Amino acid sequence: TQTVSQSDAHVTVFEGDSVELRCNYSYGGSIYLSWYIQHHGHGLQFLLKYYSGNPVVQGVNGFEAEFSKSDSSFHLRKASVHWSDSAVYFCAVSAPQGGRALIFGTGTTVSVSP
Amino acid sequence: DPKIIQKPKYLVAVTGSEKILICEQYLGHNAMYWYRQSAKKPLEFMFSYSYQKLMDNQTASSRFQPQSSKKNHLDLQITALKPDDSATYFCASSPGQVNQDTQYFGPGTRLLVL
Repeated sequence: TQTVSQSDAHVTVFEGDSVELRCNYSYGGSIYLSWYIQHHGHGLQFLLKYYSGNPVVQGVNGFEAEFSKSDSSFHLRKASVHWSDSAVYFCAVSAPQGGRALIFGTGTTVSVSP
Repeated sequence: DPKIIQKPKYLVAVTGSEKILICEQYLGHNAMYWYRQSAKKPLEFMFSYSYQKLMDNQTASSRFQPQSSKKNHLDLQITALKPDDSATYFCASSPGQVNQDTQYFGPGTRLLVL
């Protein structure tokens, strides 16, 4: 069974600060990892994805994530946040053995203060 | 222009009734999905379809029935509605049916069952 853990329910940062959102997964085989963002009252927007190659993946709006097989992690980072980055961030995993389902973590709410 | 359309945006239903949630995608994708997001649970995968055929079903209840009349349509019929069905239902699509394909989400239909 695949599981995804996002240990921080809520993160508060100031505009211009850096932020790192943690994601750990539990699965032994080949997996595909993604991050999505959900602004209040809206659907999910794709940020980035990893499935092979360079463990550091660049996404939209200055986001990047780093895959670590040894730590079973896929943490999301941004060097300088903007107020519009306030949203809920979801980490997701999928694996061939699990079909085409995306398994989501519980989400991390990011609040950016001016 | 929105590429994945979900109708209606909001829906109020009474217990025991039946409703159909509409999803249309104009991305030219071959695979479509339904997910559910409620206050009690994280985002949950429900179904996946590829070329109008059911591929994955992780919904225990037969009260939830996807319907695909065209390749770019995947509606969700819910019968005998219960208050626990109250949630936001998201439709998603991807180019193909392989795990590495990115899934893109619609804006959701927010269902309230009284």
